[in-house]
Amino acid sequence: AQKVTQAQTEISVVEKEDVTLDCVYETRDTTYYLFWYKQPPSGELVFLIRRNSFDEQNEISGRYSWNFQKSTSSFNFTITASQVVDSAVYFCALRSNTDKLIFGTGTRLQVFP
Amino acid sequence: DTGVSQNPRHKITKRGQNVTFRCDPISEHNRLYWYRQTLGQGPEFLTYFQNEAQLEKSRLLSDRFSAERPKGSFSTLEIQRTEQGDSAMYLCASTAKATGELFFGEGSRLTVL
Repeated sequence: AQKVTQAQTEISVVEKEDVTLDCVYETRDTTYYLFWYKQPPSGELVFLIRRNSFDEQNEISGRYSWNFQKSTSSFNFTITASQVVDSAVYFCALRSNTDKLIFGTGTRLQVFP
Repeated sequence: DTGVSQNPRHKITKRGQNVTFRCDPISEHNRLYWYRQTLGQGPEFLTYFQNEAQLEKSRLLSDRFSAERPKGSFSTLEIQRTEQGDSAMYLCASTAKATGELFFGEGSRLTVL
């Protein structure tokens, strides 16, 4: 079975705080891809990152960073020095032996000024 | 090309009516996906096409739902005899690679009264 769990339903922080969004996945496949998407209030899903199962290097892109750990089946997302514009719903997704993305239920992040 | 385009953006209909949504993918993308998203949930896979061939359909896609991609370009999703439970955001996405990220449109929101 393939599954993505985002246990944090909603997180609220004050601007400039760091925040980590958790993602735990399940798959029996050895080759798979993990994704993060952002869904702002406008509704359109915006692609943030794609990672394949053979590359466990952490990645940093500006204020965003991702920690991929196969040992714990986790692919966590950290926003450093959060800003109000980061307020959105964030989805983690998995693609393994099928051609479709399986999404988690999302984490709503609210950043207050 | 500015991305995946969906229309109408909003549709309000009475129960029992038929509705049709259209998706125009990014022009060089041969794979096209339909997802459904309800409030507070992540997108759920409905079906996908590679060129004009419909390769997979979810169990969520009852026989009242039909999707087509006749010339391998735009796609339509028709819902017959709508029910209140069909109220959701219908998302279309496209990609050029089987393992690549999906690019989503802004969605078509359906409200069934």
